[in-house]
Amino acid sequence: DAGVIQSPRHEVTEMGQEVTLRCKPISGHDYLFWYRQTMMRGLELLIYFNNNVPIDDSGMPEDRFSAKMPNASFSTLKIQPSEPRDSAVYFCASSLSPPGFYEQYFGPGTRLTVT
Amino acid sequence: KNEVEQSPQNLTAQEGEFITINCSYSVGISALHWLQQHPGGGIVSLFMLSSGKKKHGRLIATINIQEKHSSLHITASHPRDSAVYICAVSPGNQFYFGTGTSLTVIP
Repeated sequence: DAGVIQSPRHEVTEMGQEVTLRCKPISGHDYLFWYRQTMMRGLELLIYFNNNVPIDDSGMPEDRFSAKMPNASFSTLKIQPSEPRDSAVYFCASSLSPPGFYEQYFGPGTRLTVT
Repeated sequence: KNEVEQSPQNLTAQEGEFITINCSYSVGISALHWLQQHPGGGIVSLFMLSSGKKKHGRLIATINIQEKHSSLHITASHPRDSAVYICAVSPGNQFYFGTGTSLTVIP
């Protein structure tokens, strides 16, 4: 298996632009997680899905952030409009069910810079 | 409020030294995870444990559920062990992360 795949690996955009991050989980994993990592706050869970359904989005910073999982092999995290404070590394991870009992597999991350 | 506290924040060791990183948590958990993040940024899961001890090569992880404490030990440390080590706990389906311990092993 190729592991968790994320694209793009790097994204530089201007404030106000829409940004879409993509993730392909490991086949057979039914949990998918989106995380954000910054120097100030470390790793933060933004949202997670179980069988394509969002379960907990309490970590999503505000309405500018949205996430979807249209099928078991694809998820997107969208920021519209982007702001400089959204600059961070965004990780996607997947695991078997239930996630507290199985390890998570992380993608390589997308480094987002908003200028 | 930090559900997970790690110590030390930064650690420098000479090659060959025995290293211990500590993690304390305040919530009831189903499992505790140790993650490794290399300078390139990738995150790898090292251990997931809910009781006792696990060993993988030179790495050993222990957990004391009653004391809500876990330790990650590295024996015979090597420069390639230089990374950030992150403790995470999962009370059910939620995850809480420590801020990480940055380890540098000097040849």
